Amino acid sequence: GAVVSQHPSRVICKSGTSVKIECRSLDFQATTMFWYRQFPKQSLMLMATSNEGSKATYEQGVEKDKFLINHASLTLSTLTVTSAHPEDSSFYICSASRLESSYNEQFFGPGTRLTVL
Amino acid sequence: GQNIDQPTEMTATEGAIVQINCTYQTSGFNGLFWYQQHAGEAPTFLSYNVLDGLEEKGRFSSFLSRSKGYSYLLLKELQMKDSASYLCAVINSNYQLIWGAGTKLIIKP
Repeated sequence: GAVVSQHPSRVICKSGTSVKIECRSLDFQATTMFWYRQFPKQSLMLMATSNEGSKATYEQGVEKDKFLINHASLTLSTLTVTSAHPEDSSFYICSASRLESSYNEQFFGPGTRLTVL
Repeated sequence: GQNIDQPTEMTATEGAIVQINCTYQTSGFNGLFWYQQHAGEAPTFLSYNVLDGLEEKGRFSSFLSRSKGYSYLLLKELQMKDSASYLCAVINSNYQLIWGAGTKLIIKP
C-alpha cells in the first residue's frame, strides 16, 4: 500500500503557457501533500505543504500566484505552474503522508519532469 | 537555523561496506529518515529512527544518536544498483521535514 502517482511524468511546453501536474494517493487518504522541486544534482526543495480543504502553506521564496496548489480531496492535489518560463524547468515531485501513519512518513510520487522552451 | 550535513559524494567498491554519516541541528526532533534516490527518479523510503540505536533491515542499517545529533546509514555487500543518492531528513518539533543535500554514492566494480 501507500502508492502515489503523478501525471504527467514528462511535459514540454512553450514559455508563457500554464502546466498542471496532478498528484494522487491511490490506496490511502493523504492528510497532507507536499510539493518539491529538484534541480539537477541538487537536493529536494520543499515548495509548499497542502492540507485537504485548506490553503497551501508556501515556503519562503516560492511565489504562490505562480505555483497554484489545489488540494480538493484526500486523494488529489494539483500544482499549476502559471506562465511558465525556462527557469521553471525542473523535476517536480509530490509526496503524501497518510492519516494513520505514526511517524509522518512521506510517500513520494514518481515525479514530473517539466521542460519550458 | 536548521541544518543537515552529509558528505556530498562517496565512492565504494562492489561487495564492500560503506557508512554514510549525517549530522543535524534542528529545532526539536521527532525522527530521522533515510531515503534512496536514483538519478531521475523520486526518493524511496529506506529507514526511520526515532530512538537511539541501530535498526537493521537486510543489507541496510541505520543508527541514531540523539544526544550527538548524528545518524549513519550502513550499506553492506554493496551492489552496483546501490549507486544512488542517499538523503537524510529530520522531522523537527513543528513536524516539518528538513532535508539534507544528499550523498551521491558511486559503486565501482
